[in-house]
Amino acid sequence: ETGVTQTPRHLVMGMTNKKSLKCEQHLGHNAMYWYKQSAKKPLELMFVYSLEERVENNSVPSRFSPECPNSSHLFLHLHTLQPEDSALYLCASSQEVLTGELFFGEGSRLTVL
Amino acid sequence: KNEVEQSPQNLTAQEGEFITINCSYSVGISALHWLQQHPGGGIVSLFMLSSGKKKHGRLIATINIQEKHSSLHITASHPRDSAVYICAVPGNQFYFGTGTSLTVIP
Repeated sequence: ETGVTQTPRHLVMGMTNKKSLKCEQHLGHNAMYWYKQSAKKPLELMFVYSLEERVENNSVPSRFSPECPNSSHLFLHLHTLQPEDSALYLCASSQEVLTGELFFGEGSRLTVL
Repeated sequence: KNEVEQSPQNLTAQEGEFITINCSYSVGISALHWLQQHPGGGIVSLFMLSSGKKKHGRLIATINIQEKHSSLHITASHPRDSAVYICAVPGNQFYFGTGTSLTVIP
């Protein structure tokens, strides 16, 4: 199995739908992250979890709701999204928060119609 | 202004050419990361370095802490090196460059 696994890889949803992105890491890391990648822009940090506790919420709209039930799993719940939320959402993990090597998943490509 | 600046933004090279990608940053750091992103999205960590130089196969990364500058070199470039290369530094969060899109033509 790869180190960080994201599902689904592709998601198309309407603005009134509710969906969730899932991330699972098999590396025994303590920190997990959600990043948003839009065209021609740097990766934007959305949320950081350390040992299942949120340590960073980078002014993300409430239509994005993270959940970290344990140190291996991270979810991003999506509700009432806007077309400008269409992007690649990347999950990552590291041994400790904001230090050490980052390991990324393959990303979930989200399209909001 | 972004905390991390990369140049060039786009780069096209002939197979076999020596390639250099540059990264400048404005925050104090403990280490700098070079990442590779292939079409399709997945990102792979290439290097994490805090001083001097690291080499992995045809890839070489250097860093000058005093000048807040790092370079990624690819020797004998190959079409499979075509990807986006991203520089990242940790601060109170990770700061990322916008990436350098490299295309190596056979």
